[in-house]
Amino acid sequence: SQQGEEDPQALSIQEGENATMNCSYKTSINNLQWYRQNSGRGLVHLILIRSNEREKHSGRLRVTLDTSKKSSSLLITASRAADTASYFCAIRDDKIIFGKGTRLHILP
Amino acid sequence: DAGVIQSPRHEVTEMGQEVTLRCKPISGHNSLFWYRQTMMRGLELLIYFNNNVPIDDSGMPEDRFSAKMPNASFSTLKIQPSEPRDSAVYFCASSLSRPDTQYFGPGTRLTVL
Repeated sequence: SQQGEEDPQALSIQEGENATMNCSYKTSINNLQWYRQNSGRGLVHLILIRSNEREKHSGRLRVTLDTSKKSSSLLITASRAADTASYFCAIRDDKIIFGKGTRLHILP
Repeated sequence: DAGVIQSPRHEVTEMGQEVTLRCKPISGHNSLFWYRQTMMRGLELLIYFNNNVPIDDSGMPEDRFSAKMPNASFSTLKIQPSEPRDSAVYFCASSLSRPDTQYFGPGTRLTVL
């Protein structure tokens, strides 16, 4: 089974800047989901984008999906200290498979 | 809604002992997932149930691991005998079939000495 691969593995930016994380995968998908994990906590669902969708927004989050390139990106605009967390993409074909995540650190 | 409930939150045990982790999914959800998370391997799916029936247990590391879901509101993950390499955070998650967004519990941090 396939696994999404996030890029970069770690990212540090200044508060107020935008953060972009990418996810690549290998085969066809039904949908792709992004989750956030704060230190010591369980994962929290952020957004789901279906294979026939190209872009979705939720508050300061923007997700794009390019099925021809088998990739997705998560953009967090106007980052805040509270956005410091690990971000995972999850690929859905016959089951959901999580990537290894991007660790995002927002510097004050 | 209370969310997914896991117990215990922390477990410290000695090698060779039996460990039982418990999960109560969100009421009405028909799928339940057990994951293990470590720094080295990331988040690994161990097993998932649909309507209380195990659908895919290919992620269960070996025969020392077993999982049950006797009813829609309770599941257990058992490790017998436990080994130090089983030390990890174990998460339970539940979802509906549509949409299949997963809701995670707070996890059980297991340390095997």
